[in-house]
Order: sequence, then C-alpha cells, then structure tokens
Amino acid sequence: TQLLEQSPQFLSIQEGENLTVYCNSSSVFSSLQWYRQEPGEGPVLLVTVVTGGEVKKLKRLTFQFGDARKDSSLHITAAQPGDTGLYLCAGAQVPGANNLFFGTGTRLTVIP
Amino acid sequence: ETGVTQTPRHLVMGMTNKKSLKCEQHLGHNAMYWYKQSAKKPLELMFVYNFKEQTENNSVPSRFSPECPNSSHLFLHLHTLQPEDSALYLCASSQTGRDQPQHFGDGTRLSIL
Repeated sequence: TQLLEQSPQFLSIQEGENLTVYCNSSSVFSSLQWYRQEPGEGPVLLVTVVTGGEVKKLKRLTFQFGDARKDSSLHITAAQPGDTGLYLCAGAQVPGANNLFFGTGTRLTVIP
Repeated sequence: ETGVTQTPRHLVMGMTNKKSLKCEQHLGHNAMYWYKQSAKKPLELMFVYNFKEQTENNSVPSRFSPECPNSSHLFLHLHTLQPEDSALYLCASSQTGRDQPQHFGDGTRLSIL
C-alpha cells in the first residue's frame, strides 16, 4: 500500500531557482517528518511538523503541514548545489507509535 | 558522525551463503529498526525492536532473521537470499514514543550473485 506519494519524483534545476516538493496521502498522520539522503549515506532528519497548518522554516527551507494533516510541502528558496539529494517525507499514523511510513522520494539535483 | 554504525558497508554474496549485517548505536536509544531501500521503491520497514523486543515484522521472508541482544546492537542474519534481495539495508534508532526522529546509519549495500 502506497501511503505517501511525493511529487515530482525527479527535479533538476539551476542554482538560485526556487522549488517545491509535495507529499500527499489519503491517510491522516499524527506528525510528518522530512529527511534528506545524500549518496552513500543514510537519511538525515530535517524537520518534524506535528500540528495541522504548521509552518516551519530552516534557513532557506520552508515546511508546511496541511490543515487536515494528510499532506505536506517543502519549499526551497534560492537552491544551492549543497541542496542536492533525495528528499523523503515520513508519516507517523498512530500517536505514540514509533513506526514511520516513508514516501516515494524526490531526487533533487541543483546545477551550479 | 552519525551515532549509528553499520558494518560491513558493502557485501557481495552468493545465494547459498550465510552472512550477517551488524548495527550499533551510541545514542542511548531504546528502539532500533531495519529498512530495505531499493531503486524505484520507497523505504520499506522490515523489523522494529523496542527495548530488545521485536514489535514489528513487516511480512519479511524468513530468509531474513533479525537479532537484538541489547538496546545498542542489532543484527540481520541472511541465508539463501534471492537476487531481488539486492538493495541498501539501513539501520536506524530512536527513542520510543510519539514523533521521535530516527537516526540512520549509512547502510550496507548488498549484492546477491
């Protein structure tokens, strides 16, 4: 069962451009996490959003949790080559449970 | 410095071999996980251990056998694997409870000949 769909699957942009990655589901999640994975490494947590409608900013990255807690977005402003990587969203469905359901992933390449 | 160390980083084995993957965490966490990451597929949860007890087996074939001797160590024993089992196997750890972030190792790249 594909619980979390991410779009686009692949994205290649020039340095300095803006972009948005989407994470959508028909299921409700108690929280949603975003990870970035670079080649040869494991995923690294970027942020956790827990409240419907919540917006969190991490330097040039802006994360939003949908009001209904079924979707999320990641917006990057003025992308840099260091932003290159695989972006994964992950949702927790049951409060208190520590299992995560991972999205299909968005592979971002930022060209200098 | 990840806090979660996986060995070996790369493993090539035949279908009849027996090998083990090892994961160690130095973060004081009490939950550990095995994931499988294949090309064109989402990260697949395989096993979850909380306080050394297995709490999740996500319909994983019996040719994969996990072992968690204590909260800091996790093993994945492999035998009679199939070519479709070639993938990156990731270990992660976290505190138990709501919304805890997971800390991942850098994975073992497994190739089945």
